[in-house]
Amino acid sequence: NFMLTQPHSVSESPGKTVTISCTGSSGSIASNFVQWYQQRPGSAPTTIIYEDNQRPSGVPDRFSGSIDSSSNSASLTISGLKTEDEADYYCQSYHSSTWVFGGGTKLTVL
Amino acid sequence: EVQLVESGGGLVQPGRSLRLSCAASGFTFDDYAMHWVRQVPGKGLEWVSGISWNSDHIDYADSVKGRFTISRDNAKNSLYLQMNSLRAEDTAFYYCAKSMRLLEWLSDWGQGTLVTVSS
Repeated sequence: NFMLTQPHSVSESPGKTVTISCTGSSGSIASNFVQWYQQRPGSAPTTIIYEDNQRPSGVPDRFSGSIDSSSNSASLTISGLKTEDEADYYCQSYHSSTWVFGGGTKLTVL
Repeated sequence: EVQLVESGGGLVQPGRSLRLSCAASGFTFDDYAMHWVRQVPGKGLEWVSGISWNSDHIDYADSVKGRFTISRDNAKNSLYLQMNSLRAEDTAFYYCAKSMRLLEWLSDWGQGTLVTVSS
């Protein structure tokens, strides 16, 4: 079964930059688009990156996505960290017409 | 403003059935594919099922195949999830979400409804 693996947690200070990885278990992660979702405590998820590196309207350009085929991974980078960025982040892609989510990464901004 | 409002959650015994609904507004419902995504409290996201705009294409996660049925009524701007033979591991928040096509990103999500399967 295709899986996406994320670090369980990351932490960084306000104003700094953090990168969250999402590694595919098999095949090429570049074969299908990767999305990133943000979920703040007690709220529903929202999309912050779609199609590897696109931002929906309203998402600040502090958020960016990329693909690294050499490591078969996708990355979410958040620059100029704010306390409001503290949330869970999930990557997502597709495999055989079904959707696969990573296990999620808890970002702490301290 | 796009709104997706789930309803129908609650406490149900193992082996019983439950039907979730999602009322959509603020967009042209039959232009979009729709999905159900669930989340065990405190755990990660799991895609459950998706349905194309005209119901021609439907997909399910292996974990619910044969037990859950997704459907939609475009005249009522509504999405449904019929859940049969419920198990304790189906306990979760259930979110409805929309995408332009079945294998495209989820552009909007509802706030979720909690299903608890317990005796």
